[in-house]
Amino acid sequence: ELKVEQNPLFLSMQEGKNYTIYCNYSTTSDRLYWYRQDPGKSLESLFVLLSNGAVKQEGRLMASLDTKARLSTLHITAAVHDLSATYFCAVGNDYKLSFGAGTTVTVRA
Amino acid sequence: GAVVSQHPSRVICKSGTSVKIECRSLDFQATTMFWYRQFPKQSLMLMATSNEGSKATYEQGVEKDKFLINHASLTLSTLTVTSAHPEDSSFYICSAVKGISNTEAFFGQGTRLTVV
Repeated sequence: ELKVEQNPLFLSMQEGKNYTIYCNYSTTSDRLYWYRQDPGKSLESLFVLLSNGAVKQEGRLMASLDTKARLSTLHITAAVHDLSATYFCAVGNDYKLSFGAGTTVTVRA
Repeated sequence: GAVVSQHPSRVICKSGTSVKIECRSLDFQATTMFWYRQFPKQSLMLMATSNEGSKATYEQGVEKDKFLINHASLTLSTLTVTSAHPEDSSFYICSAVKGISNTEAFFGQGTRLTVV
């Protein structure tokens, strides 16, 4: 069974500072996803990482993947209030996804 | 990107009744769709894989007679919650795969089901 562990589960960020969310998974997978979810809404795709060493960046968010360590990180640079949301990583084969527990991010002034 | 539409977005039903949720891929054909369930402040749990023209594959612990899935066309999958109980109240989300070579699954906007 594929297990996905995300930490921290809750993250209170101060505006302007940098933070990292970690995602560990238990078995080999051919892809890793990061999603954002706002309260009461569905998932917004942030990144798809397909290979070892993959790094993708969009605005203040950067995701990386180390398949040997079975670890992905989501790095937030200079946090702003707009980034308050819950972030999920998901891992899977053939599009069947196992999700991490989610990291609820709150950005404060 | 691709658009996946889910309907309804919210539904309230009485205990014992059945509720149907639709998941449509609007601008692409989806041979495979997935149904997930999310309890408040929890993660998403895969319920079943819906394949066009064949029976759905259910994850362990999901009652197939309670959660009926039909994938009658390449653009539509439906989830029917039968004889709903308050414990079935949850957020249901579908996703659709655009094609074999595509790396993404696209998510619908979700359906908030409340059983009273």
